[in-house]
Amino acid sequence: EPEVTQTPSHQVTQMGQEVILRCVPISNHLYFYWYRQILGQKVEFLVSFYNNEISEKSEIFDDQFSVERPDGSNFTLKIRSTKLEDSAMYFCASRPGQGARSAEAFFGQGTRLTVV
Amino acid sequence: SQQGEEDPQALSIQEGENATMNCSYKTSINNLQWYRQNSGRGLVHLILIRSNEREKHSGRLRVTLDTSKKSSSLLITASRAADTASYFCATEDTGRRALTFGSGTRLQVQP
Repeated sequence: EPEVTQTPSHQVTQMGQEVILRCVPISNHLYFYWYRQILGQKVEFLVSFYNNEISEKSEIFDDQFSVERPDGSNFTLKIRSTKLEDSAMYFCASRPGQGARSAEAFFGQGTRLTVV
Repeated sequence: SQQGEEDPQALSIQEGENATMNCSYKTSINNLQWYRQNSGRGLVHLILIRSNEREKHSGRLRVTLDTSKKSSSLLITASRAADTASYFCATEDTGRRALTFGSGTRLQVQP
């Protein structure tokens, strides 16, 4: 079965630095998402992307965050000026948006971000 | 309680027993989905039930949905040690395409 691929699997960064988390969604999927999970807590929605623009974002997704789909295959999450509380597992997901499994979200294995 | 609260928070059973996890939510939904997460790993989609459905089966999984009570249950029959994981419900609220996750149930199946 096709997979969502995320790189790197683990990223350690110094507080104040910028990080870019990368994702390759499943081709022909229409919706793309970033979620995060702070250790021991719920999975939280950050942002959704459809038709080359942000379709929805949560309160967490402030000016510190941005997303891009630069080349039709990659989907990136940029976090500027990282803070200690940004340490979490970040999950990318994609969703077909059409067909029998249109509503099913396929998640990547996650990038564990550690801010020190 | 918050959207997508699950109970129990933790469940320990013996192999071969059934495991039941419950989820409650507060909003109007398009569908409700259940995901599994092995420790430190990604989320694996298990089953989706639409708001106009009441019950759905997939292998050893049985999901029910009661929209009047805003609740769902996931039953895993004849559990195996390999079923040990965290299980999350997630709702797709009406008018949205994003998921709101519950707090999860940690299932431990003892061999």
